[in-house]
This record gives sequence, C-alpha cells and structure tokens, in this order.
Amino acid sequence: AQKITQTQPGMFVQEKEAVTLDCTYDTSDPSYGLFWYKQPSSGEMIFLIYQGSYDQQNATEGRYSLNFQKARKSANLVISASQLGDSAMYFCAMTSPAGNNRKLIWGLGTSLAVNP
Amino acid sequence: GAVVSQHPSRVICKSGTSVKIECRSLDFQATTMFWYRQFPKQSLMLMATSNEGSKATYEQGVEKDKFLINHASLTLSTLTVTSAHPEDSSFYICSARDNIQGAGGYTFGSGTRLTVV
Repeated sequence: AQKITQTQPGMFVQEKEAVTLDCTYDTSDPSYGLFWYKQPSSGEMIFLIYQGSYDQQNATEGRYSLNFQKARKSANLVISASQLGDSAMYFCAMTSPAGNNRKLIWGLGTSLAVNP
Repeated sequence: GAVVSQHPSRVICKSGTSVKIECRSLDFQATTMFWYRQFPKQSLMLMATSNEGSKATYEQGVEKDKFLINHASLTLSTLTVTSAHPEDSSFYICSARDNIQGAGGYTFGSGTRLTVV
C-alpha cells in the first residue's frame, strides 16, 4: 500500500540557515509523483516543488530543492537561507497509481519554526 | 497560473442547518475535484473524489448522505454539509486536477472554516 512518512513532527531552524525536512515513501507503482506543500496558519496549501519518479535530476524551485533518492525511497525537502515567513506546516505527498484518479497520499506533516 | 476559488472562507451555522461550499476553477477545466477535511494540527483527510458529470467516490467512513458532492460542470464543484452538527466543525479544502497541467497539476482552494454552533 502507498504510504508517506514524515518522522519530524516539529523542527526549529535559525533564520538564514538551511533546513532539511524528511519524507520517505512506499509504493509499488513505477510511475509516481512526489510533492511538497507549505501550509501557513491561514490554511491555504501552497505548492512548493514536484519530482517525478522518472526525473533524473533533483527538482529545484528557488530556495527549495528536493533531494530525491529513489533507491532509498526518500524525497527530502531542503530549504536554503530560511526566512521568518517559512514558519508553517510542511506536507509531503505522493500520487496514487493511475486508475485511482491519481489522488494524493499525504504525510502527517512537519511544523517548521524559524527563529530570528 | 491555475486558480481555484473557494467560497465561503468562513461560515458559522446553527446545528441542523445545511452549508454549501463552492469551488470554482477560474482558468482551467477541473476534470477531477478532491474534497478534504482537516482537523487542527493534522494532515489532510480525503473525503471524496468527483469527476465532472459522475457521482462522487467517497472514502471509507465518509457519509455520502451527509456530505453531498456535486460536480456538474468542468469549472464548478460543491460540497454540501447537510444537517450540520458541532462535530462537523472543521477546515474543508478542495483541490482540482486538470490532466493537461502535468507536473504539479493539483490546485487548491483557499479552504473553508466551518463552525457549527
């Protein structure tokens, strides 16, 4: 069965430092997509970054990069140069197999606090 | 970029009444709409998936007669919480998928905070 595991309920980072949020996944489907979303206290879900299972290179989007280690089934999010506005919940998600409307499987999330 | 407009953002209703939440895709066709519920400090819980013109597929444990989903057009899906009770108070959020968008093709509404008193 597909599963996303985020083992860090809460993380602290000093402003301007880098932080890594862990995500491991389990799937038997060879074709899948991995996502990271940010959810601030307002509740909106903000798309950060996407990695396809066949992508050869790690995805990057500005200060966000995804450390994709396919053999280890991990998709950690790296945020460089943390800012106070990065304080939020972060969710890792994965697409379910085709034929299932490609619904997303969600991790429990990591609460990130950036300290000044 | 793709935008999903979700209304209302907040609603307070009396116990026993029904509440309708609307999600509208503004610049793309939402072939699939996902409806989630989220309790404080928890992850998103998928309630149901709807495809335009078809009946919604509900996740196990979700009462289809209580949470009515309509996806009558490619740009509009609604969730109606019928005979709401205080335990239905929660954050509800929709997500639209357009097969054409490809990578990152899940666009979320801004959510609705429902409080039943």
